[in-house]
Amino acid sequence: DQQVKQNSPSLSVQEGRISILNCDYTNSMFDYFLWYKKYPAEGPTFLISISSIKDKNEDGRFTVFLNKSAKHLSLHIVPSQPGDSAVYFCAATGVYGGSQGNLIFGKGTKLSVKP
Amino acid sequence: DAGITQSPRHKVTETGTPVTLRCHQTENHRYMYWYRQDPGHGLRLIHYSYGVKDTDKGEVSDGYSVSRSKTEDFLLTLESATSSQTSVYFCAIRQGMNTEAFFGQGTRLTVV
Repeated sequence: DQQVKQNSPSLSVQEGRISILNCDYTNSMFDYFLWYKKYPAEGPTFLISISSIKDKNEDGRFTVFLNKSAKHLSLHIVPSQPGDSAVYFCAATGVYGGSQGNLIFGKGTKLSVKP
Repeated sequence: DAGITQSPRHKVTETGTPVTLRCHQTENHRYMYWYRQDPGHGLRLIHYSYGVKDTDKGEVSDGYSVSRSKTEDFLLTLESATSSQTSVYFCAIRQGMNTEAFFGQGTRLTVV
């Protein structure tokens, strides 16, 4: 049973516009969330994170929003650039009965930014 | 770049043989993770470690074992490789709970 879900396998956006990538989770014990970007044949690279005590975190063009009641987070990229074209992974972690710090990823969303 | 190295980077092995992948870190981070990446499945957690000799299963641990006898090394062993274990394997390290994880470059394993 998937604990972290990214229901959109792909997203296409025009350069300069906003990209919004979504992620849902099922485990209410998760308390720290991360977004990663991955290019082919490379390891994932960290983008931005958010703690469950916050509802927003910003870093340059990237903003992550967390809605704990809906168990939903989103990554906004503004403005989108062709170099942002990659697969984006959402991840969640926490320490609870069944975990000593596991880090669970979604299946990813492939973002294509068209010039 | 975080000091994390995976070896080997590529390997072809035969069905039924044991295989060990190594993840080495120079960051003294507490947590280490092994993932596999497959089309349509994203990154799936195989096993992770939260300290020396402390390990736990992930989502897809069947057929895999791990060991961590010192902080810097986390070994993933396929006890008897099968074609379904053909994949790209990634190691990651993380200093603490509310910190980001850093990934290695990956190991492409082909089981024939």
